[in-house]
Amino acid sequence: GQQVMQIPQYQHVQEGEDFTTYCNSSTTLSNIQWYKQRPGGHPVFLIQLVKSGEVKKQKRLTFQFGEAKKNSSLHITATQTTDVGTYFCAGRRTSYDKVIFGPGTSLSVIP
Amino acid sequence: KAGVTQTPRYLIKTRGQQVTLSCSPISGHRSVSWYQQTPGQGLQFLFEYFSETQRNKGNFPGRFSGRQFSNSRSEMNVSTLELGDSALYLCASSPDSGGFTLHFGNGTRLTVT
Repeated sequence: GQQVMQIPQYQHVQEGEDFTTYCNSSTTLSNIQWYKQRPGGHPVFLIQLVKSGEVKKQKRLTFQFGEAKKNSSLHITATQTTDVGTYFCAGRRTSYDKVIFGPGTSLSVIP
Repeated sequence: KAGVTQTPRYLIKTRGQQVTLSCSPISGHRSVSWYQQTPGQGLQFLFEYFSETQRNKGNFPGRFSGRQFSNSRSEMNVSTLELGDSALYLCASSPDSGGFTLHFGNGTRLTVT
């Protein structure tokens, strides 16, 4: 069945350092979404990527969707303590297929 | 608009019992999906409902079931509870089931003793 993997599983960075998490799917995706879950909270939608090779930016966050629509990345520039949490990618094979979440990357930021 | 509401927030049950969790989606959202979240397994898809019909189903045993009502509210039932069912159960709603973002509730924390 479809699998979505993420690396790394954990990342500890000093405040101000950059951070990147990578997401890889075993199958081509129709779209990919990224969510952030703060400790003790619930996942919150960050962004959706649909087109092959798409790049989107949200302030210090940069999201990319691979040319083959099987991988994606999230890059945070100059991390802040407010970036702490677990970042999940989630994808579907088709628009009406079930959403499969990656296992997440847990980010810790050391002040 | 009010967000996704899940009740109860916390539940403690004994092995062998059954439990029903409730989810009220955002007004106007017709799709509701359920996820099980555990530290070791991440977010696992349980099922998705749209207009009272189960659209997709995850790889969970038949002890896990759900339904959706005409007002889009959804319930999830787990029968013959096992210790391994202890988890955070998250409900998410979206306007439709195709390519739309998921809006999650705060979850129900189920502990099975």
